[in-house]
Amino acid sequence: GAVVSQHPSRVICKSGTSVKIECRSLDFQATTMFWYRQFPKKSLMLMATSNEGSKATYEQGVEKDKFLINHASLTLSTLTVTSAHPEDSSFYICSARRPTGANEKLFFGSGTQLSVL
Amino acid sequence: GIQVEQSPPDLILQEGANSTLRCNFSDSVNNLQWFHQNPWGQLINLFYIPSGTKQNGRLSATTVATERYSLLYISSSQTTDSGVYFCAVDVSGNTPLVFGKGTRLSVIA
Repeated sequence: GAVVSQHPSRVICKSGTSVKIECRSLDFQATTMFWYRQFPKKSLMLMATSNEGSKATYEQGVEKDKFLINHASLTLSTLTVTSAHPEDSSFYICSARRPTGANEKLFFGSGTQLSVL
Repeated sequence: GIQVEQSPPDLILQEGANSTLRCNFSDSVNNLQWFHQNPWGQLINLFYIPSGTKQNGRLSATTVATERYSLLYISSSQTTDSGVYFCAVDVSGNTPLVFGKGTRLSVIA
């Protein structure tokens, strides 16, 4: 079946540094990928929609300059948390859907636990 | 946007017991998926079920699209079933999934 790979699975960084998270669709091409954020014991909240070859669409309240999204190819989307601060600590998870067919389920990466010290 | 409500928010079961988790949604949906999030955070897709009934081992799910709800049945629960169960829906093929708040299940031996 389809697989979405996300790296790294865990990252600890100092405040002020930038962190890049990669999301790859391994056996299909994804024109659209989605990035979610999850706080402890909370639900997944959509941050942005990543569109191959164009700018990402951000949800209300999500800082586009803080969370840079690049979808440069049909199999790779990256989320860069710039100048990370402790309040950015969270679980980030990406998802992708095959571009063919309207009723395809979404596949999810394994998530990235970001801890900013 | 579409609202997704799950119940109960928390559930404690004795090993071997059965349970039913419910997901209500506020509008017509294109897709509905049930997920189990394990202790490491990974989302395991259980069912893709915009309508109808499906079964996979001890788990089964039913979605009644006309009445805007879905049910997840867990039979003969095991401790490994513990975790958070999410229901998520989308309204079209190009939109992201909207998640409910989840049901936190604890199965005790």
